[in-house]
Amino acid sequence: DAKTTQPPSMDCAEGRAANLPCNHSTISGNEYVYWYRQIHSQGPQYIIHGLKNNETNEMASLIITEDRKSSTLILPHATLRDTAVYYCIVDTGKLIFGQGTTLQVKP
Amino acid sequence: DGGITQSPKYLFRKEGQNVTLSCEQNLNHDAMYWYRQDPGQGLRLIYYSQIVNDFQKGDIAEGYSVSREKKESFPLTVTSAQKNPTAFYLCASSKITGGAYEQYFGPGTRLTVT
Repeated sequence: DAKTTQPPSMDCAEGRAANLPCNHSTISGNEYVYWYRQIHSQGPQYIIHGLKNNETNEMASLIITEDRKSSTLILPHATLRDTAVYYCIVDTGKLIFGQGTTLQVKP
Repeated sequence: DGGITQSPKYLFRKEGQNVTLSCEQNLNHDAMYWYRQDPGQGLRLIYYSQIVNDFQKGDIAEGYSVSREKKESFPLTVTSAQKNPTAFYLCASSKITGGAYEQYFGPGTRLTVT
């Protein structure tokens, strides 16, 4: 069973920030939070991961709460090409994918 | 070009036949994985291997077999014992960065068994 809870779908206007939430209340101390996305009929793409601190890379930012029970993936300026299913995963190596959040970026 | 290749992209087989899906990586990653994805669903782990000549069952290993004779290669055989083999199969490999596993996926093989 996935250890995370995500909303099944979200909409975002093109050019605006997309904030995707994830709850992982049972996370243990050595488990990382990973985010992947999957565009239709393609293999998932790694986005970012973090342990305790907030992280940023060229694709996104990851904000992890101080108690580590939830996190938010931020796509700062969403484009139509960011329309995809976004998976939040908590694990130590096996990576169990849940249902994810379908993000629809609209013009 | 570094990456993960899976071939073929589409595969058709008759029921009762075994079929082997190819997965090759030139990323020098130690760990490799096989997932299955059904329409509208998330990924389910079939098998994974963290080192050559060793592999572990995932959540849905029944009806599948793997081998890991080389670091670069992790073929998956879908046997006739797999009751519902039609699906999208994804292979991945991962590198370990500071204790975290970053997985990189291949393009997938869509298997149809009739």
